[in-house]
Amino acid sequence: GENVEQHPSTLSVQEGDSAVIKCTYSDSASNYFPWYKQELGKRPQLIIDIRSNVGEKKDQRIAVTLNKTAKHFSLHITETQPEDSAVYFCAASNLDRDDKIIFGKGTRLHILP
Amino acid sequence: DADVTQTPRNRITKTGKRIMLECSQTKGHDRMYWYRQDPGLGLRLIYYSFDVKDINKGEISDGYSVSRQAQAKFSLSLESAIPNQTALYFCATSQPYGSDSYNEQFFGPGTRLTVL
Repeated sequence: GENVEQHPSTLSVQEGDSAVIKCTYSDSASNYFPWYKQELGKRPQLIIDIRSNVGEKKDQRIAVTLNKTAKHFSLHITETQPEDSAVYFCAASNLDRDDKIIFGKGTRLHILP
Repeated sequence: DADVTQTPRNRITKTGKRIMLECSQTKGHDRMYWYRQDPGLGLRLIYYSFDVKDINKGEISDGYSVSRQAQAKFSLSLESAIPNQTALYFCATSQPYGSDSYNEQFFGPGTRLTVL
C-alpha cells in the first residue's frame, strides 16, 4: 500500500521568511496530493491540493510542487506570518482507484517573531 | 452550516471498559472515516465507509469496530479499552471523485480519549 514520508517533523522560521515542507510517496499510481493545516486545538482543514497532471499550483502565499519522477512533493509558504504556525500534513491518494487518503506524520511549523 | 460533529468531546475511562464514540454529519456526504491522531504519528486511518452498506478496515483496525447506522452516522467502538488507545480521534467525511470538492476530508472537532 501507499506510504507517505514527511520532513521535517518540526520547523522554525523567522516571520517573513519562507518555509518548505517535503513529502515523498511510494505508490507511483498516486495522482492526488492534498495538504492539510491543523491549528492548535482545531481540526485539520484542506489548504491546497495538486493533481499529478500539474507540476505546480499556487494560492496566494502558498504553493505546492510535484515531481512525479522522484515521487516527491513540497509545500512552500512565503512571507510567513504568525497565523501560519500550525501542524501541516501532506497526503496521497489515487483518484482513479477511488482510494482512501494516506497522510504523512505531520510537520509542526513555528513562526518566530 | 453543514458540519461534522462528534460526541463526546472528551472521555476518560478505565482499562477494559467498552467505549463508543459517535459521529454525525449534516453535509450529505456518503463517505465517512475514523482517524486516530497521536503526537509524531500523524493521522492514521482506523475504518472507513463509502456508503451505508460498505465498511472497510484501515491501517490500524485491531481493537476497534464500527457501525454505520445511517448515511449521517458512523460510530467507533473500543470493545475493551487499553491505555495505548489513548489518543485524539477524528471523524471525517468526503465526497467521491467526480463530485464537487471530491476527496476533500471534512473533519469533525475530535474526541480526546484517555484510557487509564
